[in-house]
Amino acid sequence: DQQVKQNSPSLSVQEGRISILNCDYTNSMFDYFLWYKKYPAEGPTFLISISSIKDKNEDGRFTVFLNKSAKHLSLHIVPSQPGDSAVYFCAASAHGAGSYQLTFGKGTKLSVIP
Amino acid sequence: KAGVTQTPRYLIKTRGQQVTLSCSPISGHRSVSWYQQTPGQGLQFLFEYFSETQRNKGNFPGRFSGRQFSNSRSEMNVSTLELGDSALYLCASSLPSSETQYFGPGTRLLVL
Repeated sequence: DQQVKQNSPSLSVQEGRISILNCDYTNSMFDYFLWYKKYPAEGPTFLISISSIKDKNEDGRFTVFLNKSAKHLSLHIVPSQPGDSAVYFCAASAHGAGSYQLTFGKGTKLSVIP
Repeated sequence: KAGVTQTPRYLIKTRGQQVTLSCSPISGHRSVSWYQQTPGQGLQFLFEYFSETQRNKGNFPGRFSGRQFSNSRSEMNVSTLELGDSALYLCASSLPSSETQYFGPGTRLLVL
């Protein structure tokens, strides 16, 4: 039972345009959401996070939107750069319920074309 | 500030052997979590330690175990290795009151 789903395995975007990566979750206990970027044979790098009490969080070129009623979040990257090409993972935790584990989606491979 | 470090980075073992992986968290981080990444299952949670106590455990067999020391460094052990244990093992650390986990580079384990 996949509690965090990233339904697009891959995404290609032109340099300078917007990249939108999507994530859906099913567990209503999740109250904290994170996005990580990962290169092959490296550990995930934390990008941005959002608490369930917010619906938007911005950090430079990265913005995460959370729609709790739809159990959906998205990561927007504007403008996209070739260096953004990597696998992006959505993760969720139920911290308020005392769980400290992250549940990950399967990832979306983003390719930014120069 | 130095990041999360993991040793060794690469390891080759044969079936039936056991292995110990080590993780040093970011200075000041007292929570350490372990994850397994495989092509088929993605990133899966193994266990989490805080102040030398296991707080959470994922759905893995008892062959997978871990511990944390008083300096917050952590080790995980896999006994009686199986071919399916071949994976990237990732360690992550976080501050006591933070939900954000920071990952190390991982240990690539190959079981032959």
